[in-house]
Amino acid sequence: GDQVKQSPSALSLQEGTNSALRCNFSIATTTVQWFLQNPRGSLMNLFYLVPGTKENGRLKSTFNSKESYSTLHIRDAQLEDSGTYFCAVSVGDNSKLIWGLGTSLVVNP
Amino acid sequence: GGIITQTPKFLIGQEGQKLTLKCQQNFNHDTMYWYRQDSGKGLRLIYYSITENDLQKGDLSEGYDASREKKSSFSLTVTSAQKNEMAVFLCASSQGDTQYFGPGTRLLVL
Repeated sequence: GDQVKQSPSALSLQEGTNSALRCNFSIATTTVQWFLQNPRGSLMNLFYLVPGTKENGRLKSTFNSKESYSTLHIRDAQLEDSGTYFCAVSVGDNSKLIWGLGTSLVVNP
Repeated sequence: GGIITQTPKFLIGQEGQKLTLKCQQNFNHDTMYWYRQDSGKGLRLIYYSITENDLQKGDLSEGYDASREKKSSFSLTVTSAQKNEMAVFLCASSQGDTQYFGPGTRLLVL
């Protein structure tokens, strides 16, 4: 958790609003991944990033390698976006990931 | 597409017991992983394997054994279950980029 820090640790949003999650890391890495763990516990990959930006629907993520951070933007939040968002960075030969402690998001109607 | 299955879904053990968790993937991925997740926490790597019969220790390997008998399966053994232990064990596979996860095995030790 110390090498990859996520903020905020918890967040509550109204349906239809926008927000940004942040991931700062203190280790050299070439890739960043974002995952969502839904309230039932299933983990799914959202983004696999090299330096740059990717967009998928209402989600957009940026990996800034020079300043060692990544952001995940959620636009027009929906109830099904609720869950815990994890950031993970690759180390070594990219086989291993170092994980943050997650941002717990609740979207309210 | 592919799928990762983990068995059992729930596992209740006794203190000191040896417990084995199994994971199967049909992605034909080379690399497989075992993670432990404690309530409200992130994932910690126990073991991973980059090919059949390969084993690499993660940060949390003490107290665990693992076995990659064939490319599609990776098993994890808790060598001596600790009293009141409660965690979710997640298996994942990868082919060099994103990791795909199974549904998890929930462990409770009485």
